[in-house]
Amino acid sequence: GAGVSQSPRYKVAKRGQDVALRCDPISGHVSLFWYQQALGQGPEFLTYFQNEAQLDKSGLPSDRFFAERPEGSVSTLKIQRTQQEDSAVYLCASSRLVSGNEQFFGPGTRLTVL
Amino acid sequence: EDQVTQSPEALRLQEGESSSLNCSYTVSGLRGLFWYRQDPGKGPEFLFTLYSAGEEKEKERLKATLTKKESFLHITAPKPEDSATYLCAVLHVEYGNKLVFGAGTILRVKS
Repeated sequence: GAGVSQSPRYKVAKRGQDVALRCDPISGHVSLFWYQQALGQGPEFLTYFQNEAQLDKSGLPSDRFFAERPEGSVSTLKIQRTQQEDSAVYLCASSRLVSGNEQFFGPGTRLTVL
Repeated sequence: EDQVTQSPEALRLQEGESSSLNCSYTVSGLRGLFWYRQDPGKGPEFLFTLYSAGEEKEKERLKATLTKKESFLHITAPKPEDSATYLCAVLHVEYGNKLVFGAGTILRVKS
C-alpha cells in the first residue's frame, strides 16, 4: 500500500504560535519515529513510539515539544510557542519491527517560524 | 565527538566515473548500519542495511560494504539520476531503537 504520509507538507508559523504536524505510518507498522532535520544536516532523533506507548522521548529539545500516538496508528507532533530555532524539516518514519530496523520515512513537513 | 562521520561532504563526478563514499563510526556494539538516499524536498529513501563486518549488498549501480569501523558505498558508472544526498545511519545497543545519522554526502553526477 501507500508509504508514510505527512501533513501539512509546508507550514509557516509566526513566533509564539502553536503548530501540529501529522504522520500517517504504513499500515500495520508498530514502531513510529520522529526526527528533525536542519538544513545540510542528517536527521536527528526526537521521539519513538511502539504502538501507542512513547518509549523514548530523549531527543525532544524542550518541553514545548509534545508527541502522541493515542491509537497506535496516526501520530501528531505538537510544538507550542514556536521559536525561530524550531525551523526545520520534521520527518516521520515507521517500521514493522520493534527493533527499529527498516525505518521507512515520509516526505517531511518543512516548518518555517518567522 | 561525532559518532557517525561521512566523507567527502560533497562529490562531483562525470557520468561513468566510479567512486566511493565513506561512513565511519566510533561506537562499538553496532546493531546495524543503514544507507539512505535523499532527494531535495523528500524524505530519506531506504537503500541497504548491513549487520556484520564483511557483509556486502548490491542494488543496481550501488554496492555497500561494511568493516568493523566503516562502511563504503561504491557507485559504479554513475548516471545523472544518481545525484542525491546519501546518508548513513547506525543503530546501536546504547541508542535504543533510534537511528543516529551522519551529515550526508552530496553527490552530483554530470553528463
